[in-house]
Amino acid sequence: TQLLEQSPQFLSIQEGENLTVYCNSSSVFSSLQWYRQEPGEGPVLLVTVVTGGEVKKLKRLTFQFGDARKDSSLHITAAQPGDTGLYLCAGEAGNMLTFGGGTRLMVKP
Amino acid sequence: NAGVMQNPRHLVRRRGQEARLRCSPMKGHSHVYWYRQLPEEGLKFMVYLQKENIIDESGMPKERFSAEFPKEGPSILRIQQVVRGDSAAYFCASSRNSDTEAFFGQGTRLTVV
Repeated sequence: TQLLEQSPQFLSIQEGENLTVYCNSSSVFSSLQWYRQEPGEGPVLLVTVVTGGEVKKLKRLTFQFGDARKDSSLHITAAQPGDTGLYLCAGEAGNMLTFGGGTRLMVKP
Repeated sequence: NAGVMQNPRHLVRRRGQEARLRCSPMKGHSHVYWYRQLPEEGLKFMVYLQKENIIDESGMPKERFSAEFPKEGPSILRIQQVVRGDSAAYFCASSRNSDTEAFFGQGTRLTVV
């Protein structure tokens, strides 16, 4: 069974602070995806990383895939209240996505 | 271009009843995935289907749960004789091919009373 561990599980910060969310596994994935989920909605894809060591930027969000393709991180610069939500990482292997448990982020104004 | 459509959005069933959850994939998508999300948890894979075929059902409970994706019409996740532990949000995702990005619907929230 492939497991993805996300940390931290909960994060409450003030507007303007920086934060990093981690996604770790002992398994190798062909790709890794980051999603954001709002209450009562389905996950929305933010980014897909495929190559070991790959870094992708999406405005204030920076995503990195580990060299061995076993782990990933999401860094948010100058967080805003609109960033509040549940962030999920998911590793692709075979026919399925294996999801981490999620990081619930709250950004206070 | 409509996204993945799931209905109903909310479903309440009494213990022992049947629940039928529907998923219409995005236009041009022939691959459908079902996931279950318990409160405050991540998503757990249940089943992967293509038109008229079940490709991977390794995440499906052995009893009471079944899924289909007929040639015409939506994919159906069927839960027979529901129990309280089946209460969860059920999400469907679709993709064009097995190696392309999958897009999620808004989910069906099942409550068993």
